Amino acid sequence: SQQGEEDPQALSIQEGENATMNCSYKTSINNLQWYRQNSGRGLVHLILIRSNEREKHSGRLRVTLDTSKKSSSLLITASRAADTASYFCATAFYSNDYKLSFGAGTTVTVRA
Amino acid sequence: DADVTQTPRNRITKTGKRIMLECSQTKGHDRMYWYRQDPGLGLRLIYYSFDVKDINKGEISDGYSVSRQAQAKFSLSLESAIPNQTALYFCATSDYGEGQPQHFGDGTRLSIL
Repeated sequence: SQQGEEDPQALSIQEGENATMNCSYKTSINNLQWYRQNSGRGLVHLILIRSNEREKHSGRLRVTLDTSKKSSSLLITASRAADTASYFCATAFYSNDYKLSFGAGTTVTVRA
Repeated sequence: DADVTQTPRNRITKTGKRIMLECSQTKGHDRMYWYRQDPGLGLRLIYYSFDVKDINKGEISDGYSVSRQAQAKFSLSLESAIPNQTALYFCATSDYGEGQPQHFGDGTRLSIL
């Protein structure tokens, strides 16, 4: 069964605006990762946050993690047309050999 | 050249046929994975292998089999394809240890008529 659930399922924003998407998960984790999937392509790793971290930044990406609420958020600032993609969260836990459990994804459309 | 290469990229076949999807990687990773992606369901793990002699079932292994021919090669077979196996299939690799990201191929779009 899938661990993560993303919200919203779809998001449409204007270029330059910020995009925020959320991920909720069910069980304990060691880390949570975010991936991007462009249409017709494989997933690309964006950023990882460990269970003892609350916030991480990478370029225009900001990820937060609240283990008490079992939730994470991904913020993309100053969005560009090239950010149009589906975004997936994935969780990993040592008792599961750190295999990734993916959510269903958020589809982001950035309008020019 | 891509680090993780999947062949074929697209395949249309008929119910009952045997199909093999192939994955090769140049990243030198020991761990390899096969996933299935269906609309609205995200990725689900079919099989995974942590080294050449290690094969493990994932959450949806029924109707599938795999072979790890070498560190760099991991193939997925559908022995007798059925229409509900129509999906997008991805191969991925990762290094050993906590926090290692997975690296994905561009997928095989499989349609079973």
